[in-house]
Amino acid sequence: QVQLVQSGAEVKKPGASVKVSCQASGYTFTSYSMHWVRQAPGQGLEWMGIITPSGGSTSYAEKFQGRLTVTRDTSTSTVYMELSSLRFEDTAVYYCARGESGSWYSNLDYWGQGILVTVSS
Amino acid sequence: DIQMTQSPSSLSASVGDRVTITCRASLGISNYLAWFQQKPGKAPKSLIYGASSLQSGVPSKFSGSGSGTDFTLTISSLQPEDFATYYCQQYNSYPFTFGPGTKVDV
Repeated sequence: QVQLVQSGAEVKKPGASVKVSCQASGYTFTSYSMHWVRQAPGQGLEWMGIITPSGGSTSYAEKFQGRLTVTRDTSTSTVYMELSSLRFEDTAVYYCARGESGSWYSNLDYWGQGILVTVSS
Repeated sequence: DIQMTQSPSSLSASVGDRVTITCRASLGISNYLAWFQQKPGKAPKSLIYGASSLQSGVPSKFSGSGSGTDFTLTISSLQPEDFATYYCQQYNSYPFTFGPGTKVDV
């Protein structure tokens, strides 16, 4: 069955960077896109970016341009999300979510369990 | 960016009630609309995609409709496990955007 297993919680200081992972299993990794979505405490869902595992093409929400880097390792079926220059308002749960097809425009059908990233001085 | 709105923002309902949630897009998105259910401390769960297609394994009490800018999610007979927050999301254009959510409680 499809599983997305994310790495553990992180605590970072303002200005630092965080790199979290999402390991996929149960399907052909290179056939589906992967998205990152975050949720601040008590708030709604915010889309951050996408990577196409086959070619590694990416697209990021404008508000994260310059701070967000999404990469993948096809040998381990893992996608990484690195967010730099962390601010207090980056405190959130970060989810990876699979795009339902290889298309850039597809539903997010499976989600990881989420990673709490806390930015605190 | 396409703005997504939902109404109501919250609603109180009882077991057995029929519940309808509305989602509106600021621009036409054809049928590139999904619905998610989220319970506290859990990841969102996909319910509906393509505005009206039921995700595999999702019970048929959930249904979606609409096209263009106006969409609805209906729960035909609310059960205790359905009390949650529901989000709509457009995937017609980047950046993908979510509605603010509708909390369904007792």
